[in-house]
Amino acid sequence: AQSVTQPDIHITVSEGASLELRCNYSYGATPYLFWYVQSPGQGLQLLLKYFSGDTLVQGIKGFEAEFKRSQSSFNLRKPSVHWSDAAEYFCAVGASGTYKYIFGTGTRLKVLA
Amino acid sequence: EAQVTQNPRYLITVTGKKLTVTCSQNMNHEYMSWYRQDPGLGLRQIYYSMNVEVTDKGDVPEGYKVSRKEKRNFPLILESPSPNQTSLYFCASSSWTGYEQYFGPGTRLTVT
Repeated sequence: AQSVTQPDIHITVSEGASLELRCNYSYGATPYLFWYVQSPGQGLQLLLKYFSGDTLVQGIKGFEAEFKRSQSSFNLRKPSVHWSDAAEYFCAVGASGTYKYIFGTGTRLKVLA
Repeated sequence: EAQVTQNPRYLITVTGKKLTVTCSQNMNHEYMSWYRQDPGLGLRQIYYSMNVEVTDKGDVPEGYKVSRKEKRNFPLILESPSPNQTSLYFCASSSWTGYEQYFGPGTRLTVT
């Protein structure tokens, strides 16, 4: 069955520290992978996406993610977190030729000053 | 400004009273979709539409209806709402070239 797992429900980091949010997927087709961010009371905004090619992708707000096919992972990273990064982060999977998206359950990030 | 709009943003209603949540996009996107967001469950896809007059079920379609008569609009219909449909609803759209979805601001629905 197709699924997306974000194993960390909550993560707390100090401002200026590095961040890694985990995402694992199970998908039969070649996946398209996405990370979205949801600030409190807001809709979702795309941070970055992976379709093919270079497995390290750069996104907005200084985020990057690395696709590792052997581990079925697409972890999101940021070298230095800012207080404004506090939000909920969702990993999502889609696939060419299908029209369904599957989202993970989200990771809520708290940033300590 | 490119955007997805939803109305209403907040709605409190009673069990069994039919309601419609509208969704409109101004980006000429072919694909549109509805999600519900519940704590601990993330976003779950309700229905999606690949183009005008073409719709299909997502993972949680029970109790919902949709229609796509115009490219820009994709309303979500709850013909007999029940309390378990209390949720935060998002509409999204995308083109086939980009594939990433653009989300509306959300509609918070409470059914009592």
